[in-house]
Amino acid sequence: DVKVTQSSRYLVKRTGEKVFLECVQDMDHENMFWYRQDPGLGLRLIYFSYDVKMKEKGDIPEGYSVSREKKERFSLILESASTNQTSMYLCASSLPQIQETQYFGPGTRLLVL
Amino acid sequence: AQTVTQSQPEMSVQEAETVTLSCTYDTSESDYYLFWYKQPPSRQMILVIRQEAYKQQNATENRFSVNFQKAAKSFSLKISDSQLGDAAMYFCAYRPNSGGGADGLTFGKGTHLIIQP
Repeated sequence: DVKVTQSSRYLVKRTGEKVFLECVQDMDHENMFWYRQDPGLGLRLIYFSYDVKMKEKGDIPEGYSVSREKKERFSLILESASTNQTSMYLCASSLPQIQETQYFGPGTRLLVL
Repeated sequence: AQTVTQSQPEMSVQEAETVTLSCTYDTSESDYYLFWYKQPPSRQMILVIRQEAYKQQNATENRFSVNFQKAAKSFSLKISDSQLGDAAMYFCAYRPNSGGGADGLTFGKGTHLIIQP
């Protein structure tokens, strides 16, 4: 079974802090994704990566950056956390073909105070 | 830009009955995939069913089936013989067949499905 793990289920940070959200997958997937989930808004794509050190902006990249130094790990970075970044963050991975299933992690619920 | 619309924020159905969740989308692409994902309470999102735009036959997975109307840009999910374990948020999602498969999904806002025992 594909396993996508995220470093924290719950995280509380202060405004202005630098925040790292880590995601690891164990199926050698080329593609990895970060989404943000908010009630009434569904999931929105922040960034994705199709290879090591490669990244592409999604629909809402402002205030975020990413890092993919190893194939299995994809990190989301909030350079200076703000209260409007309080949300659920979901990581996903998939094989490169369009029809392939995206496998999701359990999510990190981030609260920025 | 592509958009996905789920017009039903919440649906309720009696156990063992059939329920249909609606989804419409807007795209100028001709080749794409559509997906329904399920997110149970406090559990991970999982794929329910997928449909390729070029396939006319509607996809079916056990009790789950879709009604894909390409011209109308409609992609509804039918759940037959509803079970308590079907209670979840259901998200409709779209992915174009471009960008070498590296594009993310465009999701609708979700439908909260309640199963009444």
